[in-house]
Order: sequence, then structure tokens, then C-alpha cells
Amino acid sequence: GAVVSQHPSRVICKSGTSVKIECRSLDFQATTMFWYRQFPKQSLMLMATSNEGSKATYEQGVEKDKFLINHASLTLSTLTVTSAHPEDSSFYICSARDRLTSGSSYEQYFGPGTRLTVT
Amino acid sequence: GESVGLHLPTLSVQEGDNSIINCAYSNSASDYFIWYKQESGKGPQFIIDIRSNMDKRQGQRVTVLLNKTVKHLSLQIAATQPGDSAVYFCAENLAGGGADGLTFGKGTHLIIQP
Repeated sequence: GAVVSQHPSRVICKSGTSVKIECRSLDFQATTMFWYRQFPKQSLMLMATSNEGSKATYEQGVEKDKFLINHASLTLSTLTVTSAHPEDSSFYICSARDRLTSGSSYEQYFGPGTRLTVT
Repeated sequence: GESVGLHLPTLSVQEGDNSIINCAYSNSASDYFIWYKQESGKGPQFIIDIRSNMDKRQGQRVTVLLNKTVKHLSLQIAATQPGDSAVYFCAENLAGGGADGLTFGKGTHLIIQP
């Protein structure tokens, strides 16, 4: 149980284009999902918190107009990197909290990550 | 800057030995701590967690120790196996029912020598 998937697993795009990454909770509902970014040999950095049916909350220094987040259902959150540049190349990872256990459990379930390369 | 950090970036141990990975945190308001294992190209894998009202928790071959006095967290892995080779991250969650995202430490690369 508690499986989170991401699609695509790898994507290469050209500079200036936009790319959408999907995060799905497969066997549970998630009112809250989180998006992290990880550069090579570095740690995960929280980008934003995505709440179903409301606007995402972005961490300081993360441009909300560049990283568009949509959490339209209890099982899907999307991250769109707009006008991508080579410096946006990174490993993007999402996590989700189970709606049913979030009152008693702090646990987040992580997806497998999406490797974005901008050329 | 980051509120969670690690003492050693790389730790090499012999297969079968025990390993200890350390983590320092600076936010006294954090009430939940987690250790994750990450293999190359994959997402973090949950290992064990501990809440701030505890100082020790044991799992299968793993033990997490929390010392709130000195804001220190450690992960002990018993009888290490080749499959334990990975990068290990500690993470903390500020008090608030887990609604916040996690703050991750820098990571320790654990290498298991045959």
C-alpha cells in the first residue's frame, strides 16, 4: 500500500519549452502533496506544498510563476516547469500524505522521482 | 540555511559490521524526525521515524536515537549488508501535525566494503 507514482520518469526538453510532471497516489487519497527538487549529490529541497482544491504554498526563493502546481483531485498533483532553462535540470520528487491517516501519522510517501534535463 | 546537517558525508564499513550515521538539527520546534535511504536515481525510501517524545526507537536491524538536549539524531544499522549501500538522509518536520514539508539533511553516503 501507499504507493506514489510519477510520470514521466525521465524527460528531456529544449530550453524555453514547458514540461509537466505528474504525481499520483495510487492506492490512497492525498489532500496534501509536496514537491522537492534535488540537484546531483545534494539533498532534497522543498519547493512547495500542494493542497487539493487550493493554491499551492511555495517556499522562499521558488518562483510560483515558473513552477506551476495544480492539485485538482485527491490523487493527482502536477508540476509544470515553464520556460525551462538548463539550470532547471534536476531530479524532481513528490511526496503525499494519506488523507485517512494524516490526523495521526506524519508520514509522507515518496514517488520515484522525475529526471528533467533541459538542453 | 538548512537547519538539519550531517557530520560525515561518506561512511565506509565492512560487511557485517554495525554502522552509525549521525545528524544534527538546529530547530528545537521540530517534533518528528525520519531517516530515509536513497539509492541512485530513485526516490527516498522510509527507514524509521521517531517523535520528539521518544529518545529511542527500534526497527528491523535499525535503531534511531534522539537526543533533544544536544539536538542530535543517529541511525544505527546492525550487521550491514551490501544492499545497505546508499545515501542516507535525516529529515525533520516542524511541529504542526505534519502539514509542513520536510527539511532534509545533507546526506551520508554509506559504502559497504566486502
